[in-house]
Amino acid sequence: QVQLQESGPGLVKPSQTLSLTCTVSGGSISSGSYYWSWIRQPAGKGLEWIGRIYTSGSTNYNPSLKSRVTISVDTSKNQFSLKLSSVTAADTAVYYCAREGGIAVAGTTYNWFDPWGQGTLVTVSS
Amino acid sequence: QSVLTQPPSASGTPGQRVTISCSGSSSNIGSNTVNWYQQLPGTAPKLLIYSNNQRPSGVPDRFSGSKSGTSASLAISGLQSEDEADYYCAAWDDSLNGHWVFGGGTKLTVL
Repeated sequence: QVQLQESGPGLVKPSQTLSLTCTVSGGSISSGSYYWSWIRQPAGKGLEWIGRIYTSGSTNYNPSLKSRVTISVDTSKNQFSLKLSSVTAADTAVYYCAREGGIAVAGTTYNWFDPWGQGTLVTVSS
Repeated sequence: QSVLTQPPSASGTPGQRVTISCSGSSSNIGSNTVNWYQQLPGTAPKLLIYSNNQRPSGVPDRFSGSKSGTSASLAISGLQSEDEADYYCAAWDDSLNGHWVFGGGTKLTVL
């Protein structure tokens, strides 16, 4: 079955750009009608959706992060990536990647996140 | 402040039935389906309920979901110690070009 694995630096300095990659295994990132999302979770807090990309390259971002986020996909490597610019301590969190799939019924799409990667902790500190 | 509102905590004894609520608005729960995720300590979230009331393969039928208007609920019957976890609701929000929103999470304690 499809598995996702996040990778990237665990420590980023304030004002710099956080960069993470999610590698998809067990299936092609291009097959099927899936979105590929990034979600984060500060320690002891809830989940926050960051954004998603479709294999065509179209993206949607969380309005509160939109000005700082870029999500891209590399189908040749079966990966998608996250860049978050101008980071502060508030961006310290466990970052998860997840596949967003679902079903279409009577012209309406119903989606959900499954599976998720195991998550990677990114700390913003000098 | 999360867009979807959940109680921060819930508890029950083994065998009991507990419910967790999730309140939203017309732009999210009122217009779209609700998914529930279970996060066991130290692990990534796992899909528990999708499309309001559907269970993925492997999820026990002790877990059930429902939705009415702009609110949703997760019910767990026959509570077991391994159900102790954080539970999150999520829905697509149609405002601002569309985005996913989550509840703040409910920590379930099995007494």
